[in-house]
Amino acid sequence: QQPVQSPQAVILREGEDAVINCSSSKALYSVHWYRQKHGEAPVFLMILLKGGEQKGHEKISASFNEKKQQSSLYLTASQLSYSGTYFCGTERGGGFKTIFGAGTRLFVKA
Amino acid sequence: DTAVSQTPKYLVTQMGNDKSIKCEQNLGHDTMYWYKQDSKKFLKIMFSYNNKELIINETVPNRFSPKSPDKAHLNLHINSLELGDSAVYFCASSQEGRVTGELFFGEGSRLTVL
Repeated sequence: QQPVQSPQAVILREGEDAVINCSSSKALYSVHWYRQKHGEAPVFLMILLKGGEQKGHEKISASFNEKKQQSSLYLTASQLSYSGTYFCGTERGGGFKTIFGAGTRLFVKA
Repeated sequence: DTAVSQTPKYLVTQMGNDKSIKCEQNLGHDTMYWYKQDSKKFLKIMFSYNNKELIINETVPNRFSPKSPDKAHLNLHINSLELGDSAVYFCASSQEGRVTGELFFGEGSRLTVL
């Protein structure tokens, strides 16, 4: 039931791009993306809903392929502040239960 | 003004003891949660409450007893603490609709069981 994220870790130089993937074996109603910096709470980035509606961050984009139960988070022109662990969270409908993947650790170096 | 606040931030205790964590949100949300994050950073849902009613209990041992006195508060009491309970416990809130909205997390309460 837990979504699978890939890669597990990424190291980038400032200005490079990265893609983080999230997939589920179950039909999904929505996908959430969060970023957690070391020692802090996860912070919401984006939500993608079945049917194409998106809400979230201006500088980070994502896609949701409902048929394949997959989502991808696109980080372009990465900044040092992008470093952290990125979690995707999935919902199957009905609310009240967002299940998170194991996380992708992203490190951006100067 | 902190949106979701948890106390205490740190707890260090012996096996077998009982401890409580309190959570309050001032966002006017109707749904609150407890998540557990272990040393490998897995973020696992434990409980969901909607308007003080338990909605989700993710097969958590009954040593864990959440209580929601009103929709702005959700507390977690843990009896007979075990080594495996060591983790960071996050409280969160959201406004539920047909799908869970943005989750607002508290700062976390780091529990260490010795």
